[in-house]
Amino acid sequence: QLQLQESGPGLVKPSETLSLTCTVSGGSISSSTYYWGWIRQPPGKGMEWIGSIYQSGSTYYNPSLKSRVTISVDTSKNQFSLKLSSVTAADTAVYYCARHATTVATDWFDPWGQGTLVTVSS
Amino acid sequence: QSALTQPASVSGSPGQSITISCTGTSSDVGGYNYVSWYQQHPGKAPKLMIYDVSKRPSGVSNRFSGSKSGNTASLTISGLQAEDEADYYCCSYAGSSTWVFGGGTKLTVL
Repeated sequence: QLQLQESGPGLVKPSETLSLTCTVSGGSISSSTYYWGWIRQPPGKGMEWIGSIYQSGSTYYNPSLKSRVTISVDTSKNQFSLKLSSVTAADTAVYYCARHATTVATDWFDPWGQGTLVTVSS
Repeated sequence: QSALTQPASVSGSPGQSITISCTGTSSDVGGYNYVSWYQQHPGKAPKLMIYDVSKRPSGVSNRFSGSKSGNTASLTISGLQAEDEADYYCCSYAGSSTWVFGGGTKLTVL
C-alpha cells in the first residue's frame, strides 16, 4: 500500500525559505509513470495546487507561485522535496504531498500524505 | 487562474441525496473532462472520491457520483449517512499543465 509522509520544520521566519520533504513508501517513485505533487491548505481555506514533478525531474508549477517554488526529486531516497522562498504569513498552511496521475486518459491526486502544518512567524 | 466556486456549506438528513456544485470556466471545468473530488474529514488527509468527472475509484461507495454540464461539475451523494459528514473539494485541470481546486464545501448530516 503506497504511503506518503511529509516532514520538515513547522515554523519558518518571514523572508526565509520553507523546505519540506515527502517520503514515499510501499512503492518506488522511479518505477512508476506518475507525477508527484504538492498541495497546500491555509487554515480555514481551500486547497491550492503548488506544483508536480516527474521522476525525471520534469516539473509543473502554479504560475502564481512559480517565481518562489522549486520542487526536486531524489529517486535514490524515494523522496521529493519542496522549497518555497521569501515566505510571508500568507504561506502559513498545511502542506500535503500526493501522487499525481496525469495523462491524456486520466487525472487525479491519490493517495495523499497526512499533511504538515507550516507556520510563518518571527 | 481563479479557484473554482463551491457552496460554502450544504446539509441533508440521513437517507436523502445532496449535490455539491463546482463552477469554473471554459478554461478549466468546461474545457476538460478532468474533474476530481476529494473528501476530507477533520484533521485527516483528503481522499479521492471521483475522478475524470464521473469515475469512481475502487472501494468508494456507489452512493457517490459525479457529473458535469458546461462549466459546472457536480458531486451527488445519495442515501446520505452520518459518516459522509466532511469537507469536499473539487479539482480541475486548467490547461497549460496547471490545476485548480475549489474553495471547499462543508457537508453537514442533520
